[in-house]
Amino acid sequence: DAGITQSPRHKVTETGTPVTLRCHQTENHRYMYWYRQDPGHGLRLIHYSYGVKDTDKGEVSDGYSVSRSKTEDFLLTLESATSSQTSVYFCAISESVGSDTQYFGPGTRLTVL
Amino acid sequence: AQSVSQHNHHVILSEAASLELGCNYSYGGTVNLFWYVQYPGQHLQLLLKYFSGDPLVKGIKGFEAEFIKSKFSFNLRKPSVQWSDTAEYFCAVKNSGGYQKVTFGTGTKLQVIP
Repeated sequence: DAGITQSPRHKVTETGTPVTLRCHQTENHRYMYWYRQDPGHGLRLIHYSYGVKDTDKGEVSDGYSVSRSKTEDFLLTLESATSSQTSVYFCAISESVGSDTQYFGPGTRLTVL
Repeated sequence: AQSVSQHNHHVILSEAASLELGCNYSYGGTVNLFWYVQYPGQHLQLLLKYFSGDPLVKGIKGFEAEFIKSKFSFNLRKPSVQWSDTAEYFCAVKNSGGYQKVTFGTGTKLQVIP
């Protein structure tokens, strides 16, 4: 398995509170991604990064922000959590812009009450 | 924009039965195609992928998939399933140029009954 960790693995929070999820990789891969997984929707891309300080929006980016100050870390922040953001969040990495595979982290289960 | 359709949301099979999960995509250009598997409580893992060449791709654990360009399909097959194949299966497509934006299907849950 690729060296990807996510923290925390589980979190319960209240509506309106800020939440930060962390993805850490030891593979030195350039590309990092945040997805959310919801029943009936599969995986949907929230944000991605193509290098340090280089990030862009995915298809469901509203209410989320990201930061990447180091190659190995990609942070996802919910500035003010809402119940609709209750989901399982997966980080993924990939090595290059060419024909390559994404490797997924173990996921973070977030519940917003 | 590219999209992926997985028409079977939930499939129940007995052990030793043959499996075929459908995947259709829409994108006019050259694509890379993937099947990922997610075992209960685990993260997604790559099952197999197609980039070019032989349209019949063999993956891990006896799975294979066939890319049929004229049908925009990339169906997953296994001749004889096992209880341990119980999982959710995701088809994904990526345009072969540009950055790696991968679009996932909504997934098919496979339940194999012993």
